[in-house]
Amino acid sequence: GQQLNQSPQSMFIQEGEDVSMNCTSSSIFNTWLWYKQEPGEGPVLLIALYKAGELTSNGRLTAQFGITRKDSFLNISASIPSDVGIYFCAGPYGGSQGNLIFGKGTKLSVKP
Amino acid sequence: GAGVSQSPSNKVTEKGKDVELRCDPISGHTALYWYRQSLGQGLEFLIYFQGNSAPDKSGLPSDRFSAERTGGSVSTLTIQRTQQEDSAVYLCASRPGRATYNSPLHFGNGTRLTVT
Repeated sequence: GQQLNQSPQSMFIQEGEDVSMNCTSSSIFNTWLWYKQEPGEGPVLLIALYKAGELTSNGRLTAQFGITRKDSFLNISASIPSDVGIYFCAGPYGGSQGNLIFGKGTKLSVKP
Repeated sequence: GAGVSQSPSNKVTEKGKDVELRCDPISGHTALYWYRQSLGQGLEFLIYFQGNSAPDKSGLPSDRFSAERTGGSVSTLTIQRTQQEDSAVYLCASRPGRATYNSPLHFGNGTRLTVT
């Protein structure tokens, strides 16, 4: 079945550093979504990508839809302590229309 | 409130007991999802309701798990004869439409279930 692999699993960085994480799929996706989950809360959508090659920004966050349609990247520039959380990629699940499959997440820790 | 509401926020139960978890989606949202998040894991899809269509139950891990959605609104996830491996955070999400690209999922804060 479809799988999403995220890397790295976790990151420990210094405040101010840039962050890069990625997500790869075993099959082609036509939508890529990036969510962030803070402790004790549900995930919140950060960025949605709908076209291969698309590059979309949301403040200090930039995400790209890979040309092969099997990967996506999320970059965070000039990290701050509130960037702490788990970042999930997600894409349409083949089982039923409208469903989503999620990666296992990249846990980000930022040292002030 | 305007968000997805889940109750209880925490539930501790003894192995073998049944539990019911409740989700109140955002008013007017036709699609409702249940996911499970075990420690250090991603979100595992459980079940998906879309309007009046038959739910997609393909993610339910065993026949001890069931869910219903009454009147197209509130949903209840029931776990019978709970096992320790059922311990996880159970997340509910809703969204207004069918197509993923049109409308993002809105998640509740989850129910943390601990089976002792």
